[in-house]
Order: sequence, then C-alpha cells, then structure tokens
Amino acid sequence: NAGVTQTPKFQVLKTGQSMTLQCAQDMNHNSMYWYRQDPGMGLRLIYYSASEGTTDKGEVPNGYNVSRLNKREFSLRLESAAPSQTSVYFCASSEVTAGSGNTIYFGEGSWLTVV
Amino acid sequence: RKEVEQDPGPFNVPEGATVAFNCTYSNSASQSFFWYRQDCRKEPKLLMSVYSSGNEDGRFTAQLNRASQYISLLIRDSKLSDSATYLCVVNVNNDMRFGAGTRLTVKP
Repeated sequence: NAGVTQTPKFQVLKTGQSMTLQCAQDMNHNSMYWYRQDPGMGLRLIYYSASEGTTDKGEVPNGYNVSRLNKREFSLRLESAAPSQTSVYFCASSEVTAGSGNTIYFGEGSWLTVV
Repeated sequence: RKEVEQDPGPFNVPEGATVAFNCTYSNSASQSFFWYRQDCRKEPKLLMSVYSSGNEDGRFTAQLNRASQYISLLIRDSKLSDSATYLCVVNVNNDMRFGAGTRLTVKP
C-alpha cells in the first residue's frame, strides 16, 4: 500500500539551481497538493490540483511551478532555488477537494536545503 | 494574526495524565475542523474530525465552540505512544489551513 510517494527524500541545492520534486499517488484521488512546512509556521499550501488538467495557486506559490502530468502524478518545480525555499515539502492527495472534509493523505516529505 | 493558532508547547506529561490542547481560528466562516497527528520527521496523519456536537474516539475527545471560535482536543490516560505534534486544521472556503502544531511528550 504505497499511498503517496514523493522523491527525493533529501536534497541540497545551490542558490540558483533548479530541481523538480516528483509525487505520485495510487489511490485514484482527484485532488493533489503541495505544501511546505517551516518551524513555527505550520503547513502552507503552495499549489493544488483539483483534478487532472487543472492547477491553482495556494497561499505561497511564488518561486514554484507545478505540473499535473496525469491523475496519478503531480510535480513541483523550483526554477531558481533561493535559501528562503529551504523547507520540508509534502505532497498530498484527497478524494475530493479538501474543503469537503475528506481525509488528506500525505507523502513522507522531502527535506530541501538551499545553500 | 494567524488564521489558526495553537499553543506550541511543549507539553510534558507523565503516563496516565489527561492533557488538553486548544486551537483558535479567526475566520467565522470556517466550515469543518480536524486534528492531525505528526510524529517527528514524519508526515501528518488524520487523527479525527471535529463535529459541532463534540465527538470521542477512544481516549480522544474533540470539541468545537463556534461562538468562541476554538477547537479542543482532550487526551485521557496518556500513553508513551501519544508523544507527537498535534495539528489543528480548519477548512476556510475550501482551503485547509493548518496550525503550527502543539508538541506533546509523554514520559514514563
């Protein structure tokens, strides 16, 4: 039972480098999300995708792009990494848009450090 | 002011103790409420939803006070395995907003 799988788990980037965080879910969920978690800040939504082919900005989208490749996969790209993007990134999915109250299932997280 | 505020703790309690966490939210139009649990360096997982009438799941009781805009979580007979960070989550206009979490350590 894989659930939500995200890679890589750890990554160190230099300022200005680019990278893509990959995420896949095997629960046939329509909605997928990318959050970042910083100390004292809680989880903040970067982007979400309510269904295949759609993406929308969340609370903190600046510096990120996303692609909903198909129903299973939702990737997050940092085009030019900055130290302020040092964080733990969580991909998540749910059966319907989160607001309806359905459970959000999270991946194990990706620890990203930008130096 | 943050949309969802929690006491960060840490709460250090002995095994068997009863502990309560509170969470306040700022948006009166919030529609649904949840508690998630997050273990150290792990992903958050749903602990329980919070209903207006209050609800209980074993040793855990959740309460909602819409008039005062706060949610509570009560843990009775604390176990070592309850040590974790507890996240308050509020649905605001179809957007789930997470509190920063309250850390609990249960000691032998």
